[in-house]
Amino acid sequence: SQQGEEDPQALSIQEGENATMNCSYKTSINNLQWYRQNSGRGLVHLILIRSNEREKHSGRLRVTLDTSKKSSSLLITASRAADTASYFCATTGGGNKLTFGTGTQLKVEL
Amino acid sequence: DTAVSQTPKYLVTQMGNDKSIKCEQNLGHDTMYWYKQDSKKFLKIMFSYNNKELIINETVPNRFSPKSPDKAHLNLHINSLELGDSAVYFCASSSDLSRGAYNEQFFGPGTRLTVL
Repeated sequence: SQQGEEDPQALSIQEGENATMNCSYKTSINNLQWYRQNSGRGLVHLILIRSNEREKHSGRLRVTLDTSKKSSSLLITASRAADTASYFCATTGGGNKLTFGTGTQLKVEL
Repeated sequence: DTAVSQTPKYLVTQMGNDKSIKCEQNLGHDTMYWYKQDSKKFLKIMFSYNNKELIINETVPNRFSPKSPDKAHLNLHINSLELGDSAVYFCASSSDLSRGAYNEQFFGPGTRLTVL
């Protein structure tokens, strides 16, 4: 069965606003990753957070991880039109296998 | 200088045909993957190879057969194509976990398969 559920399924915001996406998962993990997929393209790795980390930053991205609640959030600050894409969380229990969430479609309007 | 490339980008074919999708990575990675993304964008792993050896084989019909001639290539052959095989297929690669790497994966651009 699918590991991750993402919320919301779709999000529409104005340029300059912050976007927050949430991911919940079911089993214990080794790390959690976030990927972006632009329309008609492959996935691009954004950020990885290990199970012993609680927060991580990369540029305008901030990821949090709460292993007790089995959830993670991705915050994109000061969004731009170019951030319009689908965002997926993916978890792994330690091996090579990544289990992806259902994705959040983000639309940033000018 | 494309990192992970796939061919073809689009594939339209009739039910019952046999087709192949090719994937190549020039990142020096040891592990390669095939994923299927359906119309609802749900992405599911199908296979993974590490140094030409199969390490992940999800519940996939045996009409799908991956082949890895070397660690830089992982091809996907599909026999007797069915309507339900229509999807976007992504190839990906990552470093070997035994070398201390995390399994960040690098994806190809995808192959959109349409079975008529």
